[in-house]
Amino acid sequence: NAGVTQTPKFQVLKTGQSMTLQCAQDMNHNSMYWYRQDPGMGLRLIYYSASEGTTDKGEVPNGYNVSRLNKREFSLRLESAAPSQTSVYFCASSVRTGGYTFGSGTRLTVV
Amino acid sequence: GENVEQHPSTLSVQEGDSAVIKCTYSDSASNYFPWYKQELGKGPQLIIDIRSNVGEKKDQRIAVTLNKTAKHFSLHITETQPEDSAVYFCAASQGGSEKLVFGKGTKLTVNP
Repeated sequence: NAGVTQTPKFQVLKTGQSMTLQCAQDMNHNSMYWYRQDPGMGLRLIYYSASEGTTDKGEVPNGYNVSRLNKREFSLRLESAAPSQTSVYFCASSVRTGGYTFGSGTRLTVV
Repeated sequence: GENVEQHPSTLSVQEGDSAVIKCTYSDSASNYFPWYKQELGKGPQLIIDIRSNVGEKKDQRIAVTLNKTAKHFSLHITETQPEDSAVYFCAASQGGSEKLVFGKGTKLTVNP
């Protein structure tokens, strides 16, 4: 039982490049989330998906897009990366009003 | 929207002592309050949670208390061990939704 799997684990991008962060869960959870973690800022919600086919903005959505491909997969896309998007990105999933299960994170550096 | 404040930002204790981390929230409609432990290089892991219809919950050396009137909740770790060293995050549900708002974290160091 893998839980929540994120790929890649590390990535370095040049300013203006694009990339997609992948997330998959095997727990049959309906809800999935993308957070970013910056020093001293805690975890801030970028986007979330309450069910397949639905997505909604969180606290810091600018510069990001998401796709809920199916119940298992929820991807995060950076269309034109900026240094301010240097961060650690976590995907999570949950049953409704339950605790989150987090992935191990993607450490992204934009130079 | 919901706002969660967490204190202290750093906490250092001797092995065997107790540690207490406190959080306050702003939205009286919040009804779910989990705590997460994050070890270096890993994702946060749920360690205990409490719902608004309960005042206290305990799991071995870890306990959480909730005061709905004052809108604050606390994590208590007794008989601390070096492996308790990590960053701890509190969170509160955004109203009755499944979205969580996190505190900024507490770095706990347990000295042998």
